[in-house]
Amino acid sequence: GAGVSQSPRYKVAKRGQDVALRCDPISGHVSLFWYQQALGQGPEFLTYFQNEAQLDKSGLPSDRFFAERPEGSVSTLKIQRTQQEDSAVYLCASSLAPGQRKETQYFGPGTRLLVL
Amino acid sequence: GIQVEQSPPDLILQEGANSTLRCNFSDSVNNLQWFHQNPWGQLINLFYIPSGTKQNGRLSATTVATERYSLLYISSSQTTDSGVYFCAVPRGYGNKLVFGAGTILRVKS
Repeated sequence: GAGVSQSPRYKVAKRGQDVALRCDPISGHVSLFWYQQALGQGPEFLTYFQNEAQLDKSGLPSDRFFAERPEGSVSTLKIQRTQQEDSAVYLCASSLAPGQRKETQYFGPGTRLLVL
Repeated sequence: GIQVEQSPPDLILQEGANSTLRCNFSDSVNNLQWFHQNPWGQLINLFYIPSGTKQNGRLSATTVATERYSLLYISSSQTTDSGVYFCAVPRGYGNKLVFGAGTILRVKS
């Protein structure tokens, strides 16, 4: 079956522009996560959805970052008024069940964002 | 929060050599995952291993939860093994993953 997909794969934005990044999780997966990976570092948590409910957004770096999953499947991460420090790879992951410590997260290929 | 430390930070191997990567964590965990990030950036699941030993082809992993570490063994390395290896542990509501900084592996032919 299909894995997690993300689009676009690459995005170049001018500073101050708004961007929207899309994630299609594995069908039937309840949990969805967004991570940010800066160059040379490990991924860092941004936000978590259980179905359509955003239950943890503690990792979002500022109020310019906004995420939604209105129908409990596809999710969009939006960054308003992009700044150069937003340049990173944005990874989406999904897992089958919420809150169960034994569920593996499966990652998409990521969106590489470059803000000029 | 929990600290996840990986060693070595980078490693260069000749094709055919074996290697051991280590992941230490500062608190008890119920789960641990090993990933390989290939040169195109894709994170590939290698192992879900909260305890004990698992093997998959030339790769195997061991987690000793009571001593708070996990090891990833790569035998008879191939150039396609190159990339970054991450370990990660779940934390908090929803089990968001906390990643180590990774080990960069380069296998030369």
